[in-house]
Amino acid sequence: QQQVKQSPQSLIVQKGGISIINCAYENTAFDYFPWYQQFPGKGPALLIAIRPDVSEKKEGRFTISFNKSAKQFSLHIMDSQPGDSATYFCAASTEKLVFGKGTKLTVNP
Amino acid sequence: KAGVTQTPRYLIKTRGQQVTLSCSPISGHRSVSWYQQTPGQGLQFLFEYFSETQRNKGNFPGRFSGRQFSNSRSEMNVSTLELGDSALYLCASSLDGLYEQYFGPGTRLTVT
Repeated sequence: QQQVKQSPQSLIVQKGGISIINCAYENTAFDYFPWYQQFPGKGPALLIAIRPDVSEKKEGRFTISFNKSAKQFSLHIMDSQPGDSATYFCAASTEKLVFGKGTKLTVNP
Repeated sequence: KAGVTQTPRYLIKTRGQQVTLSCSPISGHRSVSWYQQTPGQGLQFLFEYFSETQRNKGNFPGRFSGRQFSNSRSEMNVSTLELGDSALYLCASSLDGLYEQYFGPGTRLTVT
Protein backbone atom coordinates (compact mmCIF):
# COMPACT_ATOMS: atom_id res chain seq x y z
CA GLN A 1 0.00 0.00 0.00
CA GLN A 2 2.94 2.28 0.66
CA GLN A 3 4.65 1.48 -2.63
CA VAL A 4 5.11 3.75 -5.57
CA LYS A 5 5.82 1.86 -8.79
CA GLN A 6 7.90 3.67 -11.38
CA SER A 7 8.57 2.80 -15.00
CA PRO A 8 10.61 2.48 -17.09
CA GLN A 9 13.85 1.72 -15.25
CA SER A 10 15.83 3.32 -18.04
CA LEU A 11 14.99 5.53 -20.97
CA ILE A 12 16.98 6.70 -23.97
CA VAL A 13 15.69 9.70 -25.90
CA GLN A 14 17.10 11.77 -28.72
CA LYS A 15 17.76 15.46 -28.22
CA GLY A 16 14.58 17.40 -28.82
CA GLY A 17 12.34 14.44 -28.07
CA ILE A 18 9.78 13.94 -25.30
CA SER A 19 10.72 11.89 -22.25
CA ILE A 20 7.85 10.27 -20.36
CA ILE A 21 8.18 8.58 -16.97
CA ASN A 22 5.22 6.95 -15.26
CA CYS A 23 4.34 6.21 -11.65
CA ALA A 24 1.47 4.37 -9.99
CA TYR A 25 0.37 4.20 -6.37
CA GLU A 26 -2.18 2.39 -4.25
CA ASN A 27 -2.55 4.47 -1.11
CA THR A 28 -5.33 6.99 -1.67
CA ALA A 29 -4.18 8.91 1.40
CA PHE A 30 -1.17 10.25 -0.51
CA ASP A 31 -1.68 13.98 -0.90
CA TYR A 32 1.52 15.28 -2.45
CA PHE A 33 3.39 13.98 -5.48
CA PRO A 34 6.85 15.41 -6.19
CA TRP A 35 9.43 14.53 -8.80
CA TYR A 36 13.13 14.67 -8.06
CA GLN A 37 16.14 14.80 -10.38
CA GLN A 38 19.45 13.35 -9.27
CA PHE A 39 22.83 13.70 -10.95
CA PRO A 40 25.70 11.34 -10.06
CA GLY A 41 27.37 12.34 -6.81
CA LYS A 42 24.59 14.76 -5.88
CA GLY A 43 21.51 14.65 -3.71
CA PRO A 44 18.05 14.60 -5.33
CA ALA A 45 16.77 18.02 -6.38
CA LEU A 46 13.08 18.89 -6.25
CA LEU A 47 11.92 19.40 -9.82
CA ILE A 48 8.16 19.84 -9.74
CA ALA A 49 5.29 18.68 -7.54
CA ILE A 50 1.52 18.35 -7.71
CA ARG A 51 -1.42 17.95 -5.34
CA PRO A 52 -4.27 15.50 -6.16
CA ASP A 53 -6.82 18.27 -6.76
CA VAL A 54 -4.95 19.33 -9.91
CA SER A 55 -4.74 17.24 -13.10
CA GLU A 56 -1.73 18.92 -14.66
CA LYS A 57 1.10 21.23 -13.68
CA LYS A 58 3.66 22.72 -16.02
CA GLU A 59 6.95 24.40 -15.20
CA GLY A 60 9.05 25.23 -18.22
CA ARG A 61 9.78 22.04 -20.15
CA PHE A 62 8.55 19.83 -17.29
CA THR A 63 4.91 18.78 -16.92
CA ILE A 64 3.23 16.51 -14.39
CA SER A 65 0.03 14.81 -15.48
CA PHE A 66 -2.07 13.39 -12.64
CA ASN A 67 -4.92 10.87 -12.96
CA LYS A 68 -6.56 10.48 -9.58
CA SER A 69 -9.06 7.80 -10.60
CA ALA A 70 -6.32 5.63 -12.13
CA LYS A 71 -3.91 6.42 -9.27
CA GLN A 72 -1.22 7.29 -11.75
CA PHE A 73 0.96 10.29 -12.45
CA SER A 74 3.64 10.97 -14.99
CA LEU A 75 6.46 13.36 -15.79
CA HIS A 76 6.84 14.71 -19.32
CA ILE A 77 10.06 16.42 -20.35
CA MET A 78 9.56 18.34 -23.55
CA ASP A 79 12.43 19.16 -25.92
CA SER A 80 14.74 16.88 -23.94
CA GLN A 81 18.36 18.03 -23.75
CA PRO A 82 21.62 16.15 -23.01
CA GLY A 83 21.81 18.15 -19.76
CA ASP A 84 18.58 16.44 -18.66
CA SER A 85 20.44 13.11 -18.49
CA ALA A 86 20.00 12.08 -14.87
CA THR A 87 18.00 9.73 -12.66
CA TYR A 88 14.44 10.81 -11.97
CA PHE A 89 12.42 9.74 -8.95
CA CYS A 90 8.73 10.08 -8.39
CA ALA A 91 7.47 10.15 -4.83
CA ALA A 92 4.24 10.32 -2.86
CA SER A 93 3.63 11.58 0.62
CA THR A 94 1.33 11.39 3.58
CA GLU A 95 3.37 11.39 6.75
CA LYS A 96 6.55 10.51 4.90
CA LEU A 97 7.91 10.51 1.37
CA VAL A 98 7.76 7.17 -0.42
CA PHE A 99 9.96 7.03 -3.51
CA GLY A 100 9.78 5.09 -6.72
CA LYS A 101 12.85 3.09 -7.74
CA GLY A 102 14.01 5.70 -10.23
CA THR A 103 14.39 6.06 -14.00
CA LYS A 104 17.77 6.63 -15.56
CA LEU A 105 17.26 9.02 -18.47
CA THR A 106 19.85 9.36 -21.20
CA VAL A 107 19.37 12.07 -23.81
CA ASN A 108 21.56 11.53 -26.84
CA PRO A 109 22.86 14.57 -28.72
CA LYS B 1 20.31 31.12 0.78
CA ALA B 2 22.72 28.32 1.60
CA GLY B 3 21.52 24.82 0.87
CA VAL B 4 21.49 21.74 3.07
CA THR B 5 24.97 20.73 4.13
CA GLN B 6 26.09 17.31 5.29
CA THR B 7 29.33 16.27 6.91
CA PRO B 8 31.39 14.29 6.36
CA ARG B 9 30.92 13.64 2.66
CA TYR B 10 32.72 10.30 2.73
CA LEU B 11 33.32 7.84 5.51
CA ILE B 12 34.89 4.40 5.76
CA LYS B 13 34.17 2.33 8.85
CA THR B 14 34.68 -1.24 9.99
CA ARG B 15 31.93 -3.67 10.93
CA GLY B 16 30.90 -3.29 14.55
CA GLN B 17 31.89 0.35 14.81
CA GLN B 18 29.47 3.20 15.17
CA VAL B 19 29.16 6.37 13.12
CA THR B 20 27.61 9.82 13.48
CA LEU B 21 26.54 11.88 10.50
CA SER B 22 25.65 15.54 10.62
CA CYS B 23 23.15 17.67 8.72
CA SER B 24 22.62 21.43 8.71
CA PRO B 25 19.27 22.40 7.19
CA ILE B 26 18.41 25.46 5.16
CA SER B 27 18.08 28.48 7.40
CA GLY B 28 14.53 28.73 8.75
CA HIS B 29 13.67 25.11 8.07
CA ARG B 30 12.51 23.25 11.16
CA SER B 31 11.99 19.78 9.71
CA VAL B 32 14.86 17.43 8.91
CA SER B 33 14.39 13.99 7.39
CA TRP B 34 16.97 11.28 6.83
CA TYR B 35 17.03 8.76 3.99
CA GLN B 36 19.18 5.80 3.03
CA GLN B 37 19.90 5.33 -0.68
CA THR B 38 21.22 2.03 -2.06
CA PRO B 39 21.21 0.61 -5.61
CA GLY B 40 19.02 -2.29 -4.53
CA GLN B 41 16.48 -0.67 -2.23
CA GLY B 42 16.47 2.85 -3.63
CA LEU B 43 15.58 5.77 -1.37
CA GLN B 44 14.19 4.70 1.98
CA PHE B 45 12.90 6.95 4.73
CA LEU B 46 14.67 6.64 8.07
CA PHE B 47 13.09 9.29 10.30
CA GLU B 48 11.95 12.88 10.50
CA TYR B 49 12.62 15.44 13.21
CA PHE B 50 10.66 18.60 13.80
CA SER B 51 11.47 21.06 16.58
CA GLU B 52 13.78 18.55 18.28
CA THR B 53 11.13 15.78 18.32
CA GLN B 54 11.05 12.66 16.19
CA ARG B 55 7.77 12.92 14.36
CA ASN B 56 7.92 9.98 11.95
CA LYS B 57 9.99 6.85 11.68
CA GLY B 58 10.65 4.37 8.89
CA ASN B 59 11.19 0.64 9.12
CA PHE B 60 14.80 0.50 10.20
CA PRO B 61 16.27 -1.31 13.22
CA GLY B 62 16.97 0.50 16.46
CA ARG B 63 20.67 0.69 15.55
CA PHE B 64 19.66 3.74 13.52
CA SER B 65 18.89 6.74 15.67
CA GLY B 66 18.90 10.48 15.37
CA ARG B 67 18.40 13.73 17.15
CA GLN B 68 17.79 17.35 16.39
CA PHE B 69 19.19 20.34 18.18
CA SER B 70 17.54 23.64 19.03
CA ASN B 71 19.15 25.26 15.96
CA SER B 72 17.50 22.55 13.78
CA ARG B 73 20.79 20.88 12.99
CA SER B 74 20.45 17.13 13.08
CA GLU B 75 22.67 14.12 13.63
CA MET B 76 22.13 10.51 12.71
CA ASN B 77 23.87 7.67 14.49
CA VAL B 78 24.31 4.09 13.38
CA SER B 79 25.67 1.67 15.97
CA THR B 80 27.18 -1.78 15.44
CA LEU B 81 27.71 -1.22 11.74
CA GLU B 82 26.97 -4.03 9.30
CA LEU B 83 28.20 -4.45 5.73
CA GLY B 84 24.65 -3.81 4.52
CA ASP B 85 24.72 -0.34 6.03
CA SER B 86 27.00 0.80 3.22
CA ALA B 87 24.92 3.44 1.45
CA LEU B 88 24.48 7.09 0.64
CA TYR B 89 22.79 8.78 3.58
CA LEU B 90 20.79 11.81 2.62
CA CYS B 91 19.28 14.48 4.75
CA ALA B 92 16.48 16.75 3.58
CA SER B 93 15.02 19.85 5.15
CA SER B 94 11.68 21.57 4.79
CA LEU B 95 9.91 24.49 6.40
CA ASP B 96 7.32 22.71 8.43
CA GLY B 97 6.78 19.17 7.25
CA LEU B 98 7.30 16.68 4.51
CA TYR B 99 6.33 18.84 1.56
CA GLU B 100 8.98 20.57 -0.56
CA GLN B 101 11.95 18.78 0.88
CA TYR B 102 15.40 19.95 -0.15
CA PHE B 103 18.18 17.40 -0.08
CA GLY B 104 21.81 17.73 0.85
CA PRO B 105 24.63 16.09 -1.15
CA GLY B 106 24.70 13.08 1.16
CA THR B 107 27.31 11.18 3.13
CA ARG B 108 28.74 8.13 1.39
CA LEU B 109 29.30 5.49 4.09
CA THR B 110 31.33 2.41 3.29
CA VAL B 111 31.47 -0.39 5.85
CA THR B 112 34.30 -2.90 5.44
